[in-house]
Amino acid sequence: ETGVTQSPTHLIKTRGQQVTLRCSSQSGHNTVSWYQQALGQGPQFIFQYYREEENGRGNFPPRFSGLQFPNYSSELNVNALELDDSALYLCASSYSGTGGHNEQFFGPGTRLTVL
Amino acid sequence: AQSVTQLGSHVSVSEGALVLLRCNYSSSVPPYLFWYVQYPNQGLQLLLKYTTGATLVKGINGFEAEFKKSETSFHLTKPSAHMSDAAEYFCAVSLSGNTGKLIFGQGTTLQVKP
Repeated sequence: ETGVTQSPTHLIKTRGQQVTLRCSSQSGHNTVSWYQQALGQGPQFIFQYYREEENGRGNFPPRFSGLQFPNYSSELNVNALELDDSALYLCASSYSGTGGHNEQFFGPGTRLTVL
Repeated sequence: AQSVTQLGSHVSVSEGALVLLRCNYSSSVPPYLFWYVQYPNQGLQLLLKYTTGATLVKGINGFEAEFKKSETSFHLTKPSAHMSDAAEYFCAVSLSGNTGKLIFGQGTTLQVKP
């Protein structure tokens, strides 16, 4: 069983640019959540996708957007990058259904540096 | 609003000593509580979780935590520290079940001295 994978591992961008981060969820999972972890901080919830629809959003501006595909993989897009966007971006997948909810499994993250 | 406070950003123990990492939460409704561990350059791994039922929860690698509603606490303990326990530990709370939004504390770095 393949776990949660994220790409790329590292990324360097300049201010004002746009970036797309990718996440492949674990087999059998239908929910993907994205978190931003600044250096020395705990992860902060960005948003969650369930069955291709946004299902909750944290306190992040609209330039943070996402997609979930029919195979439940997901993308996080950030426009007009700012220096403070430099962080580790974590993706977590889980299964949500009538039988209940299961734990979130985290990927290794993408380290984004904005210069 | 929910929040999580981890007391002590750095904790240092000797190998074989008791590990105690403190977590207090704020929630207006019964929470789900989690402890995660993060090793350098890796994602988060779930150590243990409390949802309902028994308030003493056992997790992986010998860790356990006790949910104390009266103290709004969920402290993480391990009787005997190993060198391999050195990592960053995060306490988190969720209101919407296991796949709901997780709110994390600031983290505690555990150092284990030989």
